[in-house]
Amino acid sequence: DIQMTQSPSSLSASVGDRVTITCRASQGISNYLAWFQQKPGKAPKSLIYGASSLQSGVPSKFSGSGSGTDFTLTISSLQPEDFATYYCQEYNSYPLTFGGGTKVEIK
Amino acid sequence: EVQLLESGGGLVQPGGSLRLSCAASGFTFSNHAMSWVRQAPGKGLEWVSTISGSGGSTNYADSVKGRFTISRDNSKNTLFLQMNSLRAEDTAVYYCAKGGSSPGLLDYWGQGTLVTVSS
Repeated sequence: DIQMTQSPSSLSASVGDRVTITCRASQGISNYLAWFQQKPGKAPKSLIYGASSLQSGVPSKFSGSGSGTDFTLTISSLQPEDFATYYCQEYNSYPLTFGGGTKVEIK
Repeated sequence: EVQLLESGGGLVQPGGSLRLSCAASGFTFSNHAMSWVRQAPGKGLEWVSTISGSGGSTNYADSVKGRFTISRDNSKNTLFLQMNSLRAEDTAVYYCAKGGSSPGLLDYWGQGTLVTVSS
């Protein structure tokens, strides 16, 4: 099974900050990597697929990069609505696996 | 607009059974793989199972293999998860999710249904 390791597990940031979250796969997954945003009590929302493609309707302040084993999600200018937990997920093979999540909190 | 609406959650005793449903609309259901993903209280996301668009291919997490069965009725645009021999560790919110251009690409999610396994 592929293990997905996210870091950091939590971070504190201010409105307007640039935030970067990393995700590392235990083996190469090409670009079969997705990112999700989840707010408390809500379902996850797809942000990025194919490591760097923005889902329809997702603002361009979100961007993804990487290939193989190392990936990043960047929020260019953090806004109040962006405070949430973010998950990466590989879909290269079964079982599908998620990272442990990164909680982005207000500083 | 894609809509996924789960139902069937509730309180069940250990060893019991429950059947979850997910009613889909806003897309051609039979053209897309569908998945179940769960989230235990205060924990992260865990993939449970995926079924192909035709229903002919299924995959399961080891933690549920042999106890859970995923199925679909393409004539009714509905996804199911039959859960047997339930354990306390199965307690979670269960989400159904639509597959995108790749079966494991989960592009739309339902709002979830809570399953609580407790005596």
